[in-house]
Amino acid sequence: DQQVKQNSPSLSVQEGRISILNCDYTNSMFDYFLWYKKYPAEGPTFLISISSIKDKNEDGRFTVFLNKSAKHLSLHIVPSQPGDSAVYFCAASRTYGGSQGNLIFGKGTKLSVKP
Amino acid sequence: EAQVTQNPRYLITVTGKKLTVTCSQNMNHEYMSWYRQDPGLGLRQIYYSMNVEVTDKGDVPEGYKVSRKEKRNFPLILESPSPNQTSLYFCASSLSFLAGVSNEQFFGPGTRLTVL
Repeated sequence: DQQVKQNSPSLSVQEGRISILNCDYTNSMFDYFLWYKKYPAEGPTFLISISSIKDKNEDGRFTVFLNKSAKHLSLHIVPSQPGDSAVYFCAASRTYGGSQGNLIFGKGTKLSVKP
Repeated sequence: EAQVTQNPRYLITVTGKKLTVTCSQNMNHEYMSWYRQDPGLGLRQIYYSMNVEVTDKGDVPEGYKVSRKEKRNFPLILESPSPNQTSLYFCASSLSFLAGVSNEQFFGPGTRLTVL
């Protein structure tokens, strides 16, 4: 059963507008969440993360929001740029218990930013 | 330059012919991991290692072996490859296996494997 879900396989946005990528998780033991970005023919690269003790983390144009009660997080990109076109993976991990530190990835959302 | 390297980047082989994909990191990271990426399935963990001589199965370990004899290297071994192991493979490393600030994993460039 999928523990981390990205229900939108793709998203298309106009340059300059906001991109919102969503992620849901089922395991309440997860306490650290990350977003990775992946270009074709390259490995994923870390983008931004958030601990469960926070509900928001911002880094430049990228902001991640965490709603623990809903087990939902989202990545906002403002303003979107054509260079942001990539596949975005949401990942989750747990500090305690089995498999601590391992990342569980969603299936990814392909973002296309049109000029 | 801090990086994770994988070799080979591309490999076409035949069923049953043993192969090894190497992975090396120069960041003195304790934690290393192997993933495979398949269309519609995202990244799935094969094996991981929390430190030298400590390895454990991920979500899809069948048909794979790993070893961690040195901190910097974590090779992935396919003793008898089959066509269902055709995939894009990524090695990753992080400073520690503990979740938290240091848990960001650095990924290699990927190895595209085709098993005929």
